[in-house]
Amino acid sequence: DAMVIQNPRYQVTQFGKPVTLSCSQTLNHNVMYWYQQKSSQAPKLLFHYYDKDFNNEADTPDNFQSRRPNTSFCFLDIRSPGLGDAAMYLCATSVSGATTDTQYFGPGTRLTVL
Amino acid sequence: SQQGEEDPQALSIQEGENATMNCSYKTSINNLQWYRQNSGRGLVHLILIRSNEREKHSGRLRVTLDTSKKSSSLLITASRAADTASYFCATLPPGGGFKTIFGAGTRLFVKA
Repeated sequence: DAMVIQNPRYQVTQFGKPVTLSCSQTLNHNVMYWYQQKSSQAPKLLFHYYDKDFNNEADTPDNFQSRRPNTSFCFLDIRSPGLGDAAMYLCATSVSGATTDTQYFGPGTRLTVL
Repeated sequence: SQQGEEDPQALSIQEGENATMNCSYKTSINNLQWYRQNSGRGLVHLILIRSNEREKHSGRLRVTLDTSKKSSSLLITASRAADTASYFCATLPPGGGFKTIFGAGTRLFVKA
């Protein structure tokens, strides 16, 4: 089945230790998104890729970076995680980003920062 | 600022009852979508309603949209324990773009 896969499902890191979360898709969608979701809150868009074009949200901290080496894979790098970065990180894809597009979400990676 | 606000924040009902969740938004929209999120999982798309539609059905789901009041409601009929989840409304700004704004969500608990 075509899907969005995130690894790992749970990630524990230490304060200040870089961490990379990965996302892959078999849907061949052009757009890939990274969201941060804190407990009992709405998902908040960090950035997205349209094909190879990277688009950062204005309020996304510099501590967060992303890479998309090919259509299928996208990575979220947190250079120096702080306690406030503990959250669920959701990857999503859509065909083109049109307003009628459905976003397809992965199961998420729960990040714990010690 | 958050585009969508939802109420109630939490809802607990008995299996078989209907559940109604409401969403309000601030700017004009082309369409509004509803997503479900099971605990600790990703979001799953439920239904999309366009700005020129007033009501839409999908199985046990009924969505209404009132653009004059900038509000939408999601009704789940004959609820089941498996409907226990968080439900989010989502909008995109006019003219498209990629920044979907999710409401704060309603946490629904259906007791068996």
